[in-house]
Amino acid sequence: EAGVVQSPRYKIIEKKQPVAFWCNPISGHNTLYWYRQNLGQGPELLIRYENEEAVDDSQLPKDRFSAERLKGVDSTLKIQPAELGDSAVYLCASSLTGFGEQYFGPGTRLTVT
Amino acid sequence: AQSVAQPEDQVNVAEGNPLTVKCTYSVSGNPYLFWYVQYPNRGLQFLLKYITGDNLVKGSYGFEAEFNKSQTSFHLKKPSALVSDSALYFCAGGDTGGFKTIFGAGTRLFVKA
Repeated sequence: EAGVVQSPRYKIIEKKQPVAFWCNPISGHNTLYWYRQNLGQGPELLIRYENEEAVDDSQLPKDRFSAERLKGVDSTLKIQPAELGDSAVYLCASSLTGFGEQYFGPGTRLTVT
Repeated sequence: AQSVAQPEDQVNVAEGNPLTVKCTYSVSGNPYLFWYVQYPNRGLQFLLKYITGDNLVKGSYGFEAEFNKSQTSFHLKKPSALVSDSALYFCAGGDTGGFKTIFGAGTRLFVKA
């Protein structure tokens, strides 16, 4: 069974530029999560989807971050414009249910210069 | 507010000795709890979970965790540590009414040969 796929794995951009991350969850997993992980810290939830509905986006900085989940499968997280403080690893995860174990992708390491 | 705490930044143990990585939680309802492990340059991997049932949960790679409701703890344990267990361990959880999973800050485990 394929795991959670994320792309790109690494991204370096200048501040004020836009950036987008893509995630393909495990087939059949209805719940999809986007996390941000800063160095030496635990993942911080940005947004959680149940199918195509965003059910928890309270931690998403909505002035610059946006996300969508197309047809309840793939998802894209966008930052526009990026700031220096956005440098982090962005993780996508999926689970069968809202409190099931989550399966994580390898993450996208974003560096904003 | 919900929280998950890992009071130790780092745990050092000799190979062959038992190990314990501590986790405490604070949730408003019935908790669900997980342990995840992150090896260098690899994604987060699920180890074990507690949702309901037996307080002693067995997981991957010989790890187990004990749910203690009175002490609001969910400590990760292994009877005999291996050098290959050296990694970053995250406790995570939430309440079954809200499904918002909170991650602890992580504990780095060093197992010396």
